[in-house]
Amino acid sequence: DGGITQSPKYLFRKEGQNVTLSCEQNLNHDAMYWYRQDPGQGLRLIYYSQIVNDFQKGDIAEGYSVSREKKESFPLTVTSAQKNPTAFYLCASSIVGRGDKETQYFGPGTRLLVL
Amino acid sequence: GDSVTQMEGPVTLSEEAFLTINCTYTATGYPSLFWYVQYPGEGLQLLLKATKADDKGSNKGFEATYRKETTSFHLEKGSVQVSDSAVYFCALSPMIKAAGNKLTFGGGTRVLVKP
Repeated sequence: DGGITQSPKYLFRKEGQNVTLSCEQNLNHDAMYWYRQDPGQGLRLIYYSQIVNDFQKGDIAEGYSVSREKKESFPLTVTSAQKNPTAFYLCASSIVGRGDKETQYFGPGTRLLVL
Repeated sequence: GDSVTQMEGPVTLSEEAFLTINCTYTATGYPSLFWYVQYPGEGLQLLLKATKADDKGSNKGFEATYRKETTSFHLEKGSVQVSDSAVYFCALSPMIKAAGNKLTFGGGTRVLVKP
């Protein structure tokens, strides 16, 4: 059963703490993405990766870091430099291509709350 | 840069009513266009897509036609059900992928269908 899994479903962060959100896909997709969703707003791109060991900043990368050591995995770390981390974080993946091949598929999301 | 504008909600309807959610975009050339749906507390699910002008995407009774002349991709459903209550996002993927396969999202439209 192919898909994208994100864990945990809820995550709590204390002041000054780094936390890592997990994203795993078994769709054999080359590209993976992290988005942030704030209440009542659309999604904003944090980071994306089109190939293993390579990734690029999106529109709101400050205070976040990622790694792409395996094709299946694209973890996101929310660092203490991110002053307003409370949000819903969504991971997505896609084939690298054009037209029908470029559709992004999303995981169930992780809700991050600050204590 | 690219942008997507969709009507603000919430949109409140009675069951079996006709639903239209307007979406217009600004982008160079011929982007691909998508509608995603998000149910409470969940990730985004692809509802339908169109990759070239005059294409009609359809799924689960929803339809949207790619109109290049009006740069629009309006979502319609002829008879809504309570189970269609969700947030709907219009999104585009650029024709020229200078920055990867980045999706640009509209702000989302919340739809509430009452029995």
